[in-house]
Amino acid sequence: NAGVTQTPKFQVLKTGQSMTLQCAQDMNHEYMSWYRQDPGMGLRLIHYSVGAGITDQGEVPNGYNVSRSTTEDFPLRLLSAAPSQTSVYFCASSYSIRGNYAYEQYFGPGTRLTVT
Amino acid sequence: GQQLNQSPQSMFIQEGEDVSMNCTSSSIFNTWLWYKQDPGEGPVLLIALYKAGELTSNGRLTAQFGITRKDSFLNISASIPSDVGIYFCAGKPDGNYQLIWGAGTKLIIKP
Repeated sequence: NAGVTQTPKFQVLKTGQSMTLQCAQDMNHEYMSWYRQDPGMGLRLIHYSVGAGITDQGEVPNGYNVSRSTTEDFPLRLLSAAPSQTSVYFCASSYSIRGNYAYEQYFGPGTRLTVT
Repeated sequence: GQQLNQSPQSMFIQEGEDVSMNCTSSSIFNTWLWYKQDPGEGPVLLIALYKAGELTSNGRLTAQFGITRKDSFLNISASIPSDVGIYFCAGKPDGNYQLIWGAGTKLIIKP
């Protein structure tokens, strides 16, 4: 198993550009999520999905879109990049335990995004 | 929103020393998780706790789910150079299925 994979590993964008961060998992996990990590702060949830066709907003969703057409893939789209979106982005996935999700999340290696 | 207070923010220790760190919350949690993040990598799960009072070990690491359900502790015994990194706690509050994350404890070993 490859686990959770993310591409690209590094990306530089100009303000106003759009792009898609890719995330895939091969563990048949129902739950997938996107976090951003900024210096001195914990992980902040952007969007999450509890299954194909189902997505919802997290703590900091503004400026980002997601879709979940398959169990395996959960891309994150930046609509119009801003310098405030400079961050490290992590995708994570999880199975459900006792009917609950978001336990024991498995993380990808991250995408380091700089917006100039 | 709900917050976790993780302390200390950073620690400088000598190789061989024991390490302790903790997380506290303002509300009751039903799950505590401890993760470690190496530079340039994603967090990796170390220990998961599901019951108040639970004490779980993973090699030299031991974590406890506090009796009040508002705190958790992680201890590392006899630290070694590969223990350096950032340790995160995360918890799941009652009635909420999203994790809340602490800001991390950065562990640095003095040469």
